[in-house]
Amino acid sequence: AQSVTQLGSHVSVSEGALVLLRCNYSSSVPPYLFWYVQYPNQGLQLLLKYTSAATLVKGINGFEAEFKKSETSFHLTKPSAHMSDAAEYFCAVSDLGGGFKTIFGAGTRLFVKA
Amino acid sequence: EPEVTQTPSHQVTQMGQEVILRCVPISNHLYFYWYRQILGQKVEFLVSFYNNEISEKSEIFDDQFSVERPDGSNFTLKIRSTKLEDSAMYFCASTEGGTGGATDTQYFGPGTRLTVL
Repeated sequence: AQSVTQLGSHVSVSEGALVLLRCNYSSSVPPYLFWYVQYPNQGLQLLLKYTSAATLVKGINGFEAEFKKSETSFHLTKPSAHMSDAAEYFCAVSDLGGGFKTIFGAGTRLFVKA
Repeated sequence: EPEVTQTPSHQVTQMGQEVILRCVPISNHLYFYWYRQILGQKVEFLVSFYNNEISEKSEIFDDQFSVERPDGSNFTLKIRSTKLEDSAMYFCASTEGGTGGATDTQYFGPGTRLTVL
């Protein structure tokens, strides 16, 4: 069965600093991986997805993620944090066992300091 | 841009009462899902629905839960007799894929916050 683990429930960065949110996956087959963002009191918005094409995936709002099979990782990065990036970020994997539901990680809350 | 809508945005109910949460998926989508997020916790899968029947359900989705697509546009989640622990944000999602492909983007609605007193 597929699963994802997010390292760090809270990450705090200064405005302009690098954002790095960590995600490791577990899957017996090539996974399909996603990052979602949730702003306060809002729904889930897809940032980017990996579907076995290029290992470096670019998403919206300047975010990107790199799929590393050797490390079973799919970390999310952004070169320069903006105050508006403060939100909850969820790494997720598509369950290939049937129904193709999304399995979410526990989430990482990103704080951006002025 | 098409979007998934959910109503109501917030529902307050008494324990033991029935609630129906409503969703309007994107019009040409074929797969529909409900997820739940208890405050401060991760998003959990409840059920997926395709071709007018449940494709998969989690262990959370017990006999008090049911889903229905009563017409061509709405997708509902009914909780028959609410419990305090049902208090959560409920998200509806839909996917276009004709084969329910794992790579298809799931579009999520804004959620309904259910509070059970």
